[in-house]
Amino acid sequence: EPEVTQTPSHQVTQMGQEVILRCVPISNHLYFYWYRQILGQKVEFLVSFYNNEISEKSEIFDDQFSVERPDGSNFTLKIRSTKLEDSAMYFCASSSDGGRYEQYFGPGTRLTVT
Amino acid sequence: QKEVEQDPGPLSVPEGAIVSLNCTYSNSAFQYFMWYRQYSRKGPELLMYTYSSGNKEDGRFTAQVDKSSKYISLFIRDSQPSDSATYLCAMATQGGSEKLVFGKGTKLTVNP
Repeated sequence: EPEVTQTPSHQVTQMGQEVILRCVPISNHLYFYWYRQILGQKVEFLVSFYNNEISEKSEIFDDQFSVERPDGSNFTLKIRSTKLEDSAMYFCASSSDGGRYEQYFGPGTRLTVT
Repeated sequence: QKEVEQDPGPLSVPEGAIVSLNCTYSNSAFQYFMWYRQYSRKGPELLMYTYSSGNKEDGRFTAQVDKSSKYISLFIRDSQPSDSATYLCAMATQGGSEKLVFGKGTKLTVNP
């Protein structure tokens, strides 16, 4: 069964450093998303991406964040200058054109900012 | 009032019990309702997807949506220890936005 994959599973970085989280969505999916979950809190929407551009972003997704689909398979989230409060699980998700709301999540990247 | 509310539990039941998990919401524009299962430190796994009101059944799982009451439920029949996880409800409006709004999750333990 196809699945969303994410790398790395755990990333430790120092405050102020740049990080890139990587995702390979399900191959025939056209909609891509990033969500995050701070420990003990809700899963929160960050951004949606379709047709090589951002279709929606949340208040959390400020200028420090960017997304890119550098090739036909990868989807990345970059945080330019990490803060302590960016420590969270980051989930990539994807969905198909006929089922945009049936979003399939990856296993997540645990980001720890020290 | 929070947009999506979910009792965090924890909920502990014996094996074989029927489990009822619920969410309420305030945004009447929600049309799509999902249930996800999340094991500890893993990604949410899509269990059930429902559009608008009504029931949907898949094996031991039944999802119900009551839009008049702004209330959704997930029933698990013949619960198994492997069902022990956190169950998240999620919702979306129709048209334009694919953003899912999640509840905080209910932690379920099924005891053998």
